[in-house]
Amino acid sequence: DAGVIQSPRHEVTEMGQEVTLRCKPISGHNSLFWYRQTMMRGLELLIYFNNNVPIDDSGMPEDRFSAKMPNASFSTLKIQPSEPRDSAVYFCASLIVRNPGANVLTFGAGSRLTVL
Amino acid sequence: SQQGEEDPQALSIQEGENATMNCSYKTSINNLQWYRQNSGRGLVHLILIRSNEREKHSGRLRVTLDTSKKSSSLLITASRAADTASYFCATRPNAGGTSYGKLTFGQGTILTVHP
Repeated sequence: DAGVIQSPRHEVTEMGQEVTLRCKPISGHNSLFWYRQTMMRGLELLIYFNNNVPIDDSGMPEDRFSAKMPNASFSTLKIQPSEPRDSAVYFCASLIVRNPGANVLTFGAGSRLTVL
Repeated sequence: SQQGEEDPQALSIQEGENATMNCSYKTSINNLQWYRQNSGRGLVHLILIRSNEREKHSGRLRVTLDTSKKSSSLLITASRAADTASYFCATRPNAGGTSYGKLTFGQGTILTVHP
């Protein structure tokens, strides 16, 4: 199993540009999560999907952020337009809900975004 | 504010010593988990303890949970240089429906183990 796969691993862009981060969850996992990690705010849950349906997007900072999960094996997090304060490491994580009481996440390696 | 707050923020020890990290949280939980993050990598799940459990072991890891004090501790015994990493506690709220996904992470403890 290749685990949760994220791309790109590193992205440097200029303010105002569109950024698209991609995630392939573990095959068979039916829930997917996007987190953002910064030194100041730690790990923040942005949005999560269950069976490809967005369940809670209350952590999405503003309308510039959007996330989609068109199928069980792919999700995107888009920032348009990007701003320097969006610089962070963005993690995707997935889990399989066999037992809702055992919600153990498997994380990808992260996408480090730098907005100049 | 963070649901889980770890202390200390940083811990530096020698190989062979034990490392203890603490986590406090604010609301009622279903379970509490500990994750490890090596520099530049994603988080890796270490251990989960449910709200009706008081102690759990996994190899050199020992986790305790005190729901009356809303706190947990992670003990790593006989530490090794390879244990150097950041350690995070994460809590799942004690609510129904789809809340299983809402793991809230603390700020983490940076552990450095010197060879």
